[in-house]
Amino acid sequence: DTAVSQTPKYLVTQMGNDKSIKCEQNLGHDTMYWYKQDSKKFLKIMFSYNNKELIINETVPNRFSPKSPDKAHLNLHINSLELGDSAVYFCASSQGQGAGYGYTFGSGTRLTVV
Amino acid sequence: EDQVTQSPEALRLQEGESSSLNCSYTVSGLRGLFWYRQDPGKGPEFLFTLYSAGEEKEKERLKATLTKKESFLHITAPKPEDSATYLCADLDNYGQNFVFGPGTRLSVLP
Repeated sequence: DTAVSQTPKYLVTQMGNDKSIKCEQNLGHDTMYWYKQDSKKFLKIMFSYNNKELIINETVPNRFSPKSPDKAHLNLHINSLELGDSAVYFCASSQGQGAGYGYTFGSGTRLTVV
Repeated sequence: EDQVTQSPEALRLQEGESSSLNCSYTVSGLRGLFWYRQDPGKGPEFLFTLYSAGEEKEKERLKATLTKKESFLHITAPKPEDSATYLCADLDNYGQNFVFGPGTRLSVLP
């Protein structure tokens, strides 16, 4: 069984569109995250979500919004997509928040905006 | 701003040729130094956490060590299946989220 699963794996879309990426974890973890890996391979935190508390990286445009219907899911919705949004997006989860808990990452969603 | 740097950017080794990867961090009050392995098309896989200078952790052919300013990932007698990108990370100043380095892309040739 996949611990952290993301769909879709690949997403190609036009500028200006709105899209969503889904993430589900079956580990019983209580914190979930979204990371962005850009073309230079840097992984940067976008959001963390724990017990309905959302912590946002202030550099993330408000076109990006996470939505969590329950503890096992954290979806990423992106409005008005731009070329610069092209990247690989990783969902992750951990038991506990921060303080050095090892993350379990999904396999990533490669988003290409044309 | 908290920064994590890694060197070299890429490393090619022959099978059995031992070497080390470097990770340097600038955050004050280290809350943990983490190593991850990332295979192409996959998410990072957790390897080690180090918390204090002098600490060492081992897993198969990998050994991670930590000083006050940097960490090393030593690879002993590597095999082709060790080929991957190795990422290190520390925690941000709030102790909440990882700050990742750019990674070292390791290729082990048979």
